Amino acid sequence: DTAVSQTPKYLVTQMGNDKSIKCEQNLGHDTMYWYKQDSKKFLKIMFSYNNKELIINETVPNRFSPKSPDKAHLNLHINSLELGDSAVYFCASRKSGGPYNEQFFGPGTRLTVL
Amino acid sequence: GQNIDQPTEMTATEGAIVQINCTYQTSGFNGLFWYQQHAGEAPTFLSYNVLDGLEEKGRFSSFLSRSKGYSYLLLKELQMKDSASYLCAVVDSNYQLIWGAGTKLIIKP
Repeated sequence: DTAVSQTPKYLVTQMGNDKSIKCEQNLGHDTMYWYKQDSKKFLKIMFSYNNKELIINETVPNRFSPKSPDKAHLNLHINSLELGDSAVYFCASRKSGGPYNEQFFGPGTRLTVL
Repeated sequence: GQNIDQPTEMTATEGAIVQINCTYQTSGFNGLFWYQQHAGEAPTFLSYNVLDGLEEKGRFSSFLSRSKGYSYLLLKELQMKDSASYLCAVVDSNYQLIWGAGTKLIIKP
C-alpha cells in the first residue's frame, strides 16, 4: 500500500546519457514535487506541479524536465547526464489547501553518473 | 535572502534529552515543519507549528517563537533508533517550503 513510489530505486549510468525517473502517488494529492539531495544531505527543491501546472521552477539546468501525464504522476527526465547530477532524487506529494498539510516523500532514487 | 540555520551535528546519550534548534529568516511565515530522515531513507513528518508555544507528541515536542524566528525540537528518553537527521523547514509567504540543511543526531549507548 505504497503512498508515494519511485522507480528505479538505483540508477547507474554514463555521462551524456538520458534517463527518466518515475513517480506515482495514490494519496489523491494535487501537488507533487521533485527534490535533489546531494552528498551534503541538503534537500533542494527542483520542481513542483499543482493540478498539472508547473508552479515552481527553481534554477535547475534545462537538461532536467518534469512531465506530468496526470495528477497522480510526476516523472523526471534528465538529458545529457553530468557527474554533478549524482545525488538522491526524492519525489513528494501533498494535499493543497493549507500550509499545514505535510509532504509525503517517496523512497528516493539514487543516481550515480560515471 | 531566506535562511534557515541548524547545527550540523549533535551527539547525545541513550535515555537522555536533546534539543535541536532552528533559527530562520524568511520572507513571511506560514508555519514550520520538522521532519526526520534516517540514513538512506526518505524524510518523514514529525510536527507542524504555526502558533507560538510548545506542542507535545509523545517523546517528541516542538516549540515555536515567531517573534524570535526560532524553533526547537525536543527529544526525550532517547533511543538508538532516534539516530537520524532532523530537518527544519519553513513555509514562506508564497507557501513555498524553505528547508534547512538538517541536523545529524548521533545517539551513543
